[in-house]
Amino acid sequence: DAGVIQSPRHEVTEMGQEVTLRCKPISGHNSLFWYRQTMMRGLELLIYFNNNVPIDDSGMPEDRFSAKMPNASFSTLKIQPSEPRDSAVYFCASSPRGANNNEQFFGPGTRLTVL
Amino acid sequence: AQSVAQPEDQVNVAEGNPLTVKCTYSVSGNPYLFWYVQYPNRGLQFLLKYITGDNLVKGSYGFEAEFNKSQTSFHLKKPSALVSDSALYFCAVRDMGGYQKVTFGIGTKLQVIP
Repeated sequence: DAGVIQSPRHEVTEMGQEVTLRCKPISGHNSLFWYRQTMMRGLELLIYFNNNVPIDDSGMPEDRFSAKMPNASFSTLKIQPSEPRDSAVYFCASSPRGANNNEQFFGPGTRLTVL
Repeated sequence: AQSVAQPEDQVNVAEGNPLTVKCTYSVSGNPYLFWYVQYPNRGLQFLLKYITGDNLVKGSYGFEAEFNKSQTSFHLKKPSALVSDSALYFCAVRDMGGYQKVTFGIGTKLQVIP
């Protein structure tokens, strides 16, 4: 299994531009999580999907952020318009079907720099 | 609300010595507890978890953690540290009664000195 796949691995953009981050969870996993990691705030949960349905988006910082999961094998996190303070590493993680106590499997992350 | 505290930003230990990375938690019900490790420029990687049963949990790479309900702690331990253990360690908790939202601590940087 290739694990959780994220693209791009690095993204450099200018303030005001739209940014789309992509995630392919591990096949068979039914939960998907988007996190943001910064030195100042650590690891923050942005949004969580279960069976492609958003369950908790309380961590999405503001309306500029949106996430979708059109099917079980793909999710996107979009920032429009982007701002310098959005610069961070964004992680996608998935968790398997079944028991509620399972660990999460993290992708390699997307390092976003907004100039 | 659930929360996790990792009181040490950094832990330094000499190679071959035992190591401990501290974690305390707060949940409204019974906890599920996890430890993850993050190497530079990588995603988090699962180490071990406590769900129920024995308070001492063994995980990957020789790590173990002890669940202490009275002290609401779940400290990570290893009898003999390796230089390759140097990384960022995260404790995480979720409420057994809740859905899968997990709260992570701020992380502790472990530095093993040769």
